Amino acid sequence: SQQGEEDPQALSIQEGENATMNCSYKTSINNLQWYRQNSGRGLVHLILIRSNEREKHSGRLRVTLDTSKKSSSLLITASRAADTASYFCATDKGGGADGLTFGKGTHLIIQP
Amino acid sequence: DTAVSQTPKYLVTQMGNDKSIKCEQNLGHDTMYWYKQDSKKFLKIMFSYNNKELIINETVPNRFSPKSPDKAHLNLHINSLELGDSAVYFCASSIRGEAFFGQGTRLTVV
Repeated sequence: SQQGEEDPQALSIQEGENATMNCSYKTSINNLQWYRQNSGRGLVHLILIRSNEREKHSGRLRVTLDTSKKSSSLLITASRAADTASYFCATDKGGGADGLTFGKGTHLIIQP
Repeated sequence: DTAVSQTPKYLVTQMGNDKSIKCEQNLGHDTMYWYKQDSKKFLKIMFSYNNKELIINETVPNRFSPKSPDKAHLNLHINSLELGDSAVYFCASSIRGEAFFGQGTRLTVV
């Protein structure tokens, strides 16, 4: 069964605004990650947050993790047209060999 | 240099055929994967290989068989292709949880 659910499924904002995407999951996790997928391309790793962390920053990205609510959020500040893509959260249970369980993704459109 | 490369990028074939998708990673990672992305963009893991041993097989039909000649390669062979196999297939490798993906192979079965 699907582990992660992103919310919203689609988001359209103006360039310069902040974009927030949420992810919920069902079982216990080791890490939660966010990936970006441009149209017709592979997935690019954005940021990883461990289960014992609550917040992490990377450039214009800010990720939060609430393990009590089994949820995470990805905030992209000062959005740019190049941020237009699909964003996926993914969880793992540890060990690496289990692979990642992905959510359905949020399609983000940044309007110039 | 491409970290994870897979070929071909596009594959159009008829039902019933057998096809292979090749994947190579030059990152020195021990674990490689195959994922399937359906028409609704949902990604699901198919296989995981760690040091040439199959770790996971997520209820994938046995028409799909991963083959790993060495740690840097994980190929996907598909027998008797069906219309429902049409999807984008991604190869990936990982270290410390972070996965690196190939560009994908768009398979269309007609």
